[in-house]
Amino acid sequence: DAGVIQSPRHEVTEMGQEVTLRCKPISGHNSLFWYRQTMMRGLELLIYFNNNVPIDDSGMPEDRFSAKMPNASFSTLKIQPSEPRDSAVYFCASSAGNGDTIYFGEGSWLTVV
Amino acid sequence: GDSVTQMEGPVTLSEEAFLTINCTYTATGYPSLFWYVQYPGEGLQLLLKATKADDKGSNKGFEATYRKETTSFHLEKGSVQVSDSAVYFCALRRSGTYKYIFGTGTRLKVLA
Repeated sequence: DAGVIQSPRHEVTEMGQEVTLRCKPISGHNSLFWYRQTMMRGLELLIYFNNNVPIDDSGMPEDRFSAKMPNASFSTLKIQPSEPRDSAVYFCASSAGNGDTIYFGEGSWLTVV
Repeated sequence: GDSVTQMEGPVTLSEEAFLTINCTYTATGYPSLFWYVQYPGEGLQLLLKATKADDKGSNKGFEATYRKETTSFHLEKGSVQVSDSAVYFCALRRSGTYKYIFGTGTRLKVLA
């Protein structure tokens, strides 16, 4: 079975550029999460979708970050404009429902120079 | 609020040594408890879980027992291998909620 699929795996971009990270959750899962991992802060939940609707975006750092889930099989996390402090690993994860185990993708490793 | 505290790493062991990684938690009610493992360059993978007090989760030789009296969920393995080198995350989730609380992770390095 295919797991959570993220793209790109690695991205290096210049400060001020727009970055779009993509995620395909596991088929049949109706909950989707975006996490950010850094050495300083560990794993932080950025946003949670349920049935394609954003339920909790309290972890989104600021207005430069936005996330969408236009359908059950696709989500994007966009950073515009990007800054060096956005450098991190961004994980997408999905689960079959509220309270079920979540499954992580392999992450998108972002470096902003 | 809810929180998870893990022992500081890195932990360095020789192959076949006994492993313990401590994890304690603070939460209201009866959360589910998890151990996730992250191998280099990969995402987090569920290693094991326990959903109620005294439950023991186990997988790949790893075990952890949900101890409500000590609010702990320590990870153990009797004989580690080089391939177990990874970062291990303890986590909790309150019943009926979506939000996971992760510990800061403990890096394990196993030497041949």
